Amino acid sequence: QITVKESVPTLVKPTQTLTLTCTFSGFSLTDFGVGVGWIRQPPGKALEWLALLYWNDDKRYSPSLKTRLTITKDTSKTQVVLVMTNMDPVDTATYYCAHRTAERGLDIWGQGTMVTVSS
Amino acid sequence: DIQMTQSPSTLSAFVGDRVTITCRASQTISSYLAWYQQKPGKAPKLLIYKVSNLENGVPSRFSGSGSGTEFTLTISSLQPDDFATYYCHEYNSYSWTFGQGTKVEIK
Repeated sequence: QITVKESVPTLVKPTQTLTLTCTFSGFSLTDFGVGVGWIRQPPGKALEWLALLYWNDDKRYSPSLKTRLTITKDTSKTQVVLVMTNMDPVDTATYYCAHRTAERGLDIWGQGTMVTVSS
Repeated sequence: DIQMTQSPSTLSAFVGDRVTITCRASQTISSYLAWYQQKPGKAPKLLIYKVSNLENGVPSRFSGSGSGTEFTLTISSLQPDDFATYYCHEYNSYSWTFGQGTKVEIK
């Protein structure tokens, strides 16, 4: 059974750096075609895709946020980390991670974690 | 970048109604088009992938169709559990995109 789970809710100050961890089980990031993506959703607004890490370590980023985002996997390959720099109150949102397959796209989602940016 | 535009933004319908939501892409896209259902406070749930493939466990009243730049999600007979927000999602281009969502409300 595939599960993904985001790290605990976070409060960060403007200009600080956000680090989020996605812990997964039931698959390996070395499995062909697999990936882990990050998506966010400001309160009352639509989903926004942020970044994707593929099984072959290829990485993709939202063009509008590319300069602020870094996605990596840890050496154990059971966690994916998203770093977002220079946080602003408009970045306040629920952040989701999700399992990706080539066929289904983002098929298994975590419950989401709330990130609040406030001084 | 590809933009995905959903219509309508809000839809009011009765239980039992046939409901159709449209998603238009700013350019021709491949068949890697998915639909999600989201309820308040919950993560999105995959309903349909590759335009018309029903995810395991999703009721058959949901169906998807389309090609090129226009895609639709149809609910053949709206049930109380279906009142939610629906998103389309393109997942083949270099930069992925979600539609802005369609909220289905009780009439």
